[in-house]
Amino acid sequence: AQKVTQAQTEISVVEKEDVTLDCVYETRDTTYYLFWYKQPPSGELVFLIRRNSFDEQNEISGRYSWNFQKSTSSFNFTITASQVVDSAVYFCALSEAKVKGSTLGRLYFGRGTQLTVWP
Amino acid sequence: NAGVTQTPKFRILKIGQSMTLQCTQDMNHNYMYWYRQDPGMGLKLIYYSVGAGITDKGEVPNGYNVSRSTTEDFPLRLELAAPSQTSVYFCASRYRDGSEAFFGQGTRLTVV
Repeated sequence: AQKVTQAQTEISVVEKEDVTLDCVYETRDTTYYLFWYKQPPSGELVFLIRRNSFDEQNEISGRYSWNFQKSTSSFNFTITASQVVDSAVYFCALSEAKVKGSTLGRLYFGRGTQLTVWP
Repeated sequence: NAGVTQTPKFRILKIGQSMTLQCTQDMNHNYMYWYRQDPGMGLKLIYYSVGAGITDKGEVPNGYNVSRSTTEDFPLRLELAAPSQTSVYFCASRYRDGSEAFFGQGTRLTVV
């Protein structure tokens, strides 16, 4: 089973529209960490945000905001007033803690959502 | 800080050849990872390591080998290259479970 599911494979919006990227995760751990990464067309992977399982406070950073809801196992990412420079693949990732055995240290990625913002 | 450095950036291999992708980090991170990314696809974990001398398989380990003799280095060995190994390979490292991962620039490998 997928640990991290990003159901939206591709999203296209026009500049200045708001867009939400969905991320649903699966874990039995009580302590875990969630991440979002951006991969622009140049190919590098850029870290955007980290959230731990004990902190459900939503985060806003400029035009970016993240909505973490443990009740629905979701960690969604919203871009307000999207811009062409936001065009990229966005990855959600999960890291579990206090897990015995070989899964310790693993970092699970979703399949990514390709966001295209048209001018 | 250089961060995570991968070499080479590009490589073309013939079927059956072998090569080693180098990865080194200067952040004293415990955890290191190798992922592959096929065109239009997500990241698939090949191998990872939680410390020197400790490695474990990820989702797609077949055809690859790793070693972790030092904290800094985590080379990925491809034996008997096959066209299915054509991909972009990313090395990453992070300090511990709650830390974000830092990625190298990637190695674009083509097997012909």
